[in-house]
Amino acid sequence: NAGVTQTPKFQVLKTGQSMTLQCAQDMNHEYMSWYRQDPGMGLRLIHYSVGAGITDQGEVPNGYNVSRSTTEDFPLRLLSAAPSQTSVYFCASSYRRTANTGELFFGEGSRLTVL
Amino acid sequence: RKEVEQDPGPFNVPEGATVAFNCTYSNSASQSFFWYRQDCRKEPKLLMSVYSSGNEDGRFTAQLNRASQYISLLIRDSKLSDSATYLCVVNERGFQKLVFGTGTRLLVSP
Repeated sequence: NAGVTQTPKFQVLKTGQSMTLQCAQDMNHEYMSWYRQDPGMGLRLIHYSVGAGITDQGEVPNGYNVSRSTTEDFPLRLLSAAPSQTSVYFCASSYRRTANTGELFFGEGSRLTVL
Repeated sequence: RKEVEQDPGPFNVPEGATVAFNCTYSNSASQSFFWYRQDCRKEPKLLMSVYSSGNEDGRFTAQLNRASQYISLLIRDSKLSDSATYLCVVNERGFQKLVFGTGTRLLVSP
């Protein structure tokens, strides 16, 4: 019962490097999203998607790109990593109807450190 | 003022105790409310929705007070396994505006 799978779980980058955080779900959820969680702050929405081919920006989209070519996958790309992007990243998914109310399934998280 | 505010704690309670957390929200137009649980270095998981009339799930009771704009979570007969951070989540206008509190940490000791 995989649910929402994120890879990698840990990553260390140097400033200026790029990388992609992978997210896959096997629950046929329409809605997928990326959040970041920083100490002393609530989870903040980076980007989200309501279906294949549709993406939109959340609260903190700068420095990140996403695409949604399939229902299952929603990768998050860091274009040129900066120390301010050191964080724990969570992918979340849901049916569109329940996502609209706030019932989300989260992946286990990806811990990113940018030096 | 933060959109969703929670006392960060930690709340230290013995096993068997009853403990309550409050959460306040600033947007009176908020539509739906949730409590999520997050274990240390793990992902958040939905604990329960919060309904206007109040709702109970086993040892957990959630209440909503729209007039005062606060949500509460009551845990009865605390277990060691209840030790976690409890996140208050408010939906202001659909999935693009789901606001997470910073969480209240609960430590249950033997």
